[in-house]
Amino acid sequence: AQTVTQSQPEMSVQEAETVTLSCTYDTSESDYYLFWYKQPPSRQMILVIRQEAYKQQNATENRFSVNFQKAAKSFSLKISDSQLGDAAMYFCAYRSLWGTGNQFYFGTGTSLTVIP
Amino acid sequence: DAGITQSPRYKITETGRQVTLMCHQTWSHSYMFWYRQDLGHGLRLIYYSAAADITDKGEVPDGYVVSRSKTENFPLTLESATRSQTSVYFCASSEKKFRDRETQYFGPGTRLLVL
Repeated sequence: AQTVTQSQPEMSVQEAETVTLSCTYDTSESDYYLFWYKQPPSRQMILVIRQEAYKQQNATENRFSVNFQKAAKSFSLKISDSQLGDAAMYFCAYRSLWGTGNQFYFGTGTSLTVIP
Repeated sequence: DAGITQSPRYKITETGRQVTLMCHQTWSHSYMFWYRQDLGHGLRLIYYSAAADITDKGEVPDGYVVSRSKTENFPLTLESATRSQTSVYFCASSEKKFRDRETQYFGPGTRLLVL
C-alpha cells in the first residue's frame, strides 16, 4: 500500500509571510494524483490544491502552490501571503488511479498556526 | 445544494451498544468511503463502496459493518461499540473517471464518544 508522510506535526508563520509544508510519499505507480486538504476547526475537509503526476508543471491556486518532485516523491505546499484564515490542519493525500477502490491515502497532518 | 451529509453530528454511547452513523450524498457518485480520524493517525479508511451492493474493507475494518442498498446512502454500523472506537468519522464520495480531476468530497464529520 502507498504511504504518505508529513514530517512536520506543527508549523507556524507570521501573517503575510510564506510557509512551506512538506509531504513525501512512497509508491511504485507511475501515474497518480496528489492533493492537499485543509481542515479548519469546523472539521470540514476542504480541497486546497491537486496535482496530476503526469504533469510536470506545478499546480497553483491563488496563494497556494506546490513543488512536485516526482523522482524524489515529494509534494510540498507553499502558502504565500499567509492569512489568519489559513490556520488549520493540512493533510497531504495520494490517490491511486488503478485498482477497484479509488482509494485515498492520507498523511498524519500538519497543524498550521498563523501569528498576527 | 445538499452535497454530502452525515448524521448524527455528535453521538455519545456506551460500550457494547450498537451505533449506526448515516451518510447521504446527492450527486449519485459511484464511490463512497468511511474514514476515522484520530490524533497521530490522520485519516484511516474503514470501508469503501464502488457501487450499490459492492463494499470492501479498508485499512481498519474490524468492529464495523457497512451496507449500500442505494447509491446515495452508505451507513456505518458499530455492532458493539468499544472505547477505542471513540473518534471523528468522515464520510466521502467521488466519481472515478480515468484521468478525470475528480476528487473526494467530504461530509462534515460525526464525533463519536464511547463511554
